Amino acid sequence: QQQVKQSPQSLIVQKGGISIINCAYENTAFDYFPWYQQFPGKGPALLIAIRPDVSEKKEGRFTISFNKSAKQFSLHIMDSQPGDSATYFCAASMLSNTGKLIFGQGTTLQVKP
Amino acid sequence: EAQVTQNPRYLITVTGKKLTVTCSQNMNHEYMSWYRQDPGLGLRQIYYSMNVEVTDKGDVPEGYKVSRKEKRNFPLILESPSPNQTSLYFCASSRGRQMMNTEAFFGQGTRLTVV
Repeated sequence: QQQVKQSPQSLIVQKGGISIINCAYENTAFDYFPWYQQFPGKGPALLIAIRPDVSEKKEGRFTISFNKSAKQFSLHIMDSQPGDSATYFCAASMLSNTGKLIFGQGTTLQVKP
Repeated sequence: EAQVTQNPRYLITVTGKKLTVTCSQNMNHEYMSWYRQDPGLGLRQIYYSMNVEVTDKGDVPEGYKVSRKEKRNFPLILESPSPNQTSLYFCASSRGRQMMNTEAFFGQGTRLTVV
């Protein structure tokens, strides 16, 4: 049972374009939604996170959009750069429970120069 | 430097030969966990520990063991590895579920091949 579904599996974007990765979750008890970025040969690292009391969070070129009623959230990368090429994972967690992170399947992003 | 250290980074072993992957963190984190990463499946939790001597199963615990005798260390043990345990393994730590900051810090990963 995949509690967090992520799409697309892979994405190719031209430099300067907008990259959009989508995630959907099932459990309405989730109350923390982070995105992790992973470069080849490295472990994932926290990129940006949101809680369900806000609909959008922006940090530099990275924005999370959150739709609580649709149980969906997405990552937007504006002005995508070749250095953004990585694998991105969305995740969900219940802070009131174990704090366990449940990850999506991952999206491999390639930004072409 | 705050970090999670895993060893070894790469390991090739034969079916049935017991192995241990070590994990150590220097951030005094309470919460530690092990994940395996497989193509198309994302990161799946194997075991987690909320504090010393407190461990519990994650989503895919079969074939694995863990222990948490000290706060900083959380080794992953494969008593009798099988080829379906060939994967990329990550150890992670975080302050704990009670804290507002729940950022998980990951190690560099261990690429395990069981032949």
